[in-house]
Amino acid sequence: DGGITQSPKYLFRKEGQNVTLSCEQNLNHDAMYWYRQDPGQGLRLIYYSQIVNDFQKGDIAEGYSVSREKKESFPLTVTSAQKNPTAFYLCASRVSHDRDYEQYFGPGTRLTVT
Amino acid sequence: GDSVTQMEGPVTLSEEAFLTINCTYTATGYPSLFWYVQYPGEGLQLLLKATKADDKGSNKGFEATYRKETTSFHLEKGSVQVSDSAVYFCALTSNAGGTSYGKLTFGQGTILTVHP
Repeated sequence: DGGITQSPKYLFRKEGQNVTLSCEQNLNHDAMYWYRQDPGQGLRLIYYSQIVNDFQKGDIAEGYSVSREKKESFPLTVTSAQKNPTAFYLCASRVSHDRDYEQYFGPGTRLTVT
Repeated sequence: GDSVTQMEGPVTLSEEAFLTINCTYTATGYPSLFWYVQYPGEGLQLLLKATKADDKGSNKGFEATYRKETTSFHLEKGSVQVSDSAVYFCALTSNAGGTSYGKLTFGQGTILTVHP
């Protein structure tokens, strides 16, 4: 079955540690996205990538970093510079960056930093 | 910039009741409009979409019509079921050029709870 895999589902870290969230897709999609979801708020875009070896900052990129070395993978690193890292993180992909195509979402990773 | 505003939740209904979740937007040009649904503990799934004015998106008994004159995309269902309990997000993709093109902007989400 084609889809998006995010692992792990729950992640716990101590303050001051960097942590990397995994996102893999086997849909052969060119574009991939990372969102952050906080209670009572919509999703906010962290980073996106339209093609391998290229990525762009979204609305809340500070304290995060990404890489796109392979088409199917788009890992997100939450660095110690991110002031409020505890959140639900969602990865998505789309056939292309064309606006009419839907985005497909993974199941999400809930990160808790204490 | 682009923005999406949804009606405040949570919304609580009895089974078979009529559902409306209001959504209005601000965007330059002619965005595409979407409704996504998120079931507890899961990622988002596309519910329906409309890509131009007066288009009606529909799926699983849900409908929404792209109204450019009122910049709205309200979600409706004639008879809700307990299984419809979820969070519903209205969203748009930008028609603007440059790096904003194709970006998805979400409303804050509306929690729907349906009781038997």
